[in-house]
Amino acid sequence: AQSVTQLGSHVSVSEGALVLLRCNYSSSVPPYLFWYVQYPNQGLQLLLKYTSAATLVKGINGFEAEFKKSETSFHLTKPSAHMSDAAEYFCAVRHSFGNEKLTFGTGTRLTIIP
Amino acid sequence: GAGVSQSPSNKVTEKGKDVELRCDPISGHTALYWYRQSLGQGLEFLIYFQGNSAPDKSGLPSDRFSAERTGGSVSTLTIQRTQQEDSAVYLCASRPTGLAGGPGRNEQFFGPGTRLTVL
Repeated sequence: AQSVTQLGSHVSVSEGALVLLRCNYSSSVPPYLFWYVQYPNQGLQLLLKYTSAATLVKGINGFEAEFKKSETSFHLTKPSAHMSDAAEYFCAVRHSFGNEKLTFGTGTRLTIIP
Repeated sequence: GAGVSQSPSNKVTEKGKDVELRCDPISGHTALYWYRQSLGQGLEFLIYFQGNSAPDKSGLPSDRFSAERTGGSVSTLTIQRTQQEDSAVYLCASRPTGLAGGPGRNEQFFGPGTRLTVL
């Protein structure tokens, strides 16, 4: 079975500081991993995805994530936080080739301190 | 439209009533998913459609929940005899499939959701 664990349900960083949101996965098949962002009262927007190509994945809005098989991790980072980054972030792993349903982590709410 | 649309955006109903939630996927996307987002359970998978068939219904929480998809396009999620624990945001997503899907074939595109409140 596939699962993801997001450490820290709430993370606060100062504007301009490094953002680090943690995600660890468990998967019985080669994992495809995703980070989604959800702004208040909106749906989910894909930030980036890992699909077995480059292990360092760059996404939108300056975010990136590195797939580390040895650590079963896919942490999300951004060098300098902006106020507009305040949102909830979800890590997800796909179920299997073909079905592709997603199993989500519990989410991390990111607050930016001015 | 260019994205996944869902209607209604908000639905308030009384316990015991039936509700229907609609999803219009992106044109040409053959795969369609329903998820539920609630405070207690987070984001949960409900059902997956490939075309008009549903090879995976494993996430439907009870037999009060059903879904159908017609013409390989619009999908309707029906909840019968609603209960207060059904209150949640119901999200729909669609995905292109096959080689024609290109690099986006692994990506699910989400709609804005329907917020269901059962009184």
